[in-house]
Order: sequence, then structure tokens, then C-alpha cells
Amino acid sequence: AQSVAQPEDQVNVAEGNPLTVKCTYSVSGNPYLFWYVQYPNRGLQFLLKYITGDNLVKGSYGFEAEFNKSQTSFHLKKPSALVSDSALYFCAVRDPLWNDMRFGAGTRLTVKP
Amino acid sequence: NAGVTQTPKFRILKIGQSMTLQCTQDMNHNYMYWYRQDPGMGLKLIYYSVGAGITDKGEVPNGYNVSRSTTEDFPLRLELAAPSQTSVYFCASTLWGLLNYGYTFGSGTRLTVV
Repeated sequence: AQSVAQPEDQVNVAEGNPLTVKCTYSVSGNPYLFWYVQYPNRGLQFLLKYITGDNLVKGSYGFEAEFNKSQTSFHLKKPSALVSDSALYFCAVRDPLWNDMRFGAGTRLTVKP
Repeated sequence: NAGVTQTPKFRILKIGQSMTLQCTQDMNHNYMYWYRQDPGMGLKLIYYSVGAGITDKGEVPNGYNVSRSTTEDFPLRLELAAPSQTSVYFCASTLWGLLNYGYTFGSGTRLTVV
């Protein structure tokens, strides 16, 4: 079974509107969850992580994500999208027993003026 | 603080040629990784290392080799390049421990095999 799934290849939103990029995971233990962003011709940049504690985590550039254990989800959100948020977003999960992280296939976010 | 440095940034290889992709980090990270990124496929783990002298296979190791003689360096070797190895390669590092940090990624190497 896939460890992490991003069900949407593409998300389009208008500037100023809220955005959500979806992620679901499947691990046996308590997950460590991450979001990364990739701009064209660049490496991945860390946005935020959930390890333990408050289910709502805040990260860089105004992004936040909510951990929902019952739905095994970790959706990325932003209250007001900017054109500059347009990029490729990756969700990643680590089981505490693993030596690595598993990445989703990525979701391309396009914010239109 | 340079972070994770990858060289070269671009390379074109002919089928059957060999090359080494270099990766160096200056953060004293113990874990290092090599991923390849193909369109619509996300990142696939090739090899990883949990410390100097220790390496292990990831999801797609065939056609590649690695070594980790120092904490800082983690080169990836392609011995007989094939068109299927055309991809963007990323090196990453992290410091796994009590505080599970995320990865720091290099800027990538775009490899084309013709």
C-alpha cells in the first residue's frame, strides 16, 4: 500500500482565495509528517512538519497544516493564496521505525491573478 | 553555511558512459540520501546512508552505486548509463535523532542519457 497519497495532480485557485492541498498517509506507527515545496529548477524546501502535540502546525510563508489521526490526513492550507505560491508541493511521511521518508507524487498548485 | 551542494548541475551522457554525481554537506548530518525525480512520479529513493561507512539500498537502486567514506560526502555512481536513468537527481541530508528534522535538499543534477 502506498505510504503517502496526494489525490490531486493539480490544484487551481484564484489569488486571495483559501487553498488546500490534500495528503493522506498510511503507516503502522505514529507518523512524522512533512510538507515541502519545489519551485522550478530548484530543490525541495521544507515548509512544515508534525511530530507530536497540537494538530495544527504553522510553517513558512503563511502555510499551515492540520493533522487528523482519524482520517489519516495532513492537508496543507493557506487562508489567502498568492500568485507566488504557485509551485509543486510534496507531502512526506516517516514511520518512527524507518530510516527514510516516503514522498507523495506531488501536487502542482497554480494561483491565478 | 552552504548546506547540501550537488555537482554538476547539468550533464548529458551517452549510453554506456559512466559518471559520478557529487554531494557534500557541511551540517554534520549523519543521514544522507539520493533520490531521483521523474515527472508525475514524485521522488524515488535510490540509496541512503546512516553514517560514514554504512549504506543501504532504497526503492530503485539498480544501475547505481554509492559510498560514504566521510560524514560530509555521499557520491552516486552510474556505471553504464541507460536512457531510463534520464532524470533529476537530488541529494538530501538530515540529522535523525530525538528531534526529527526534515531533510535539507541540494539543488539537483539534471541528467540526460542519449
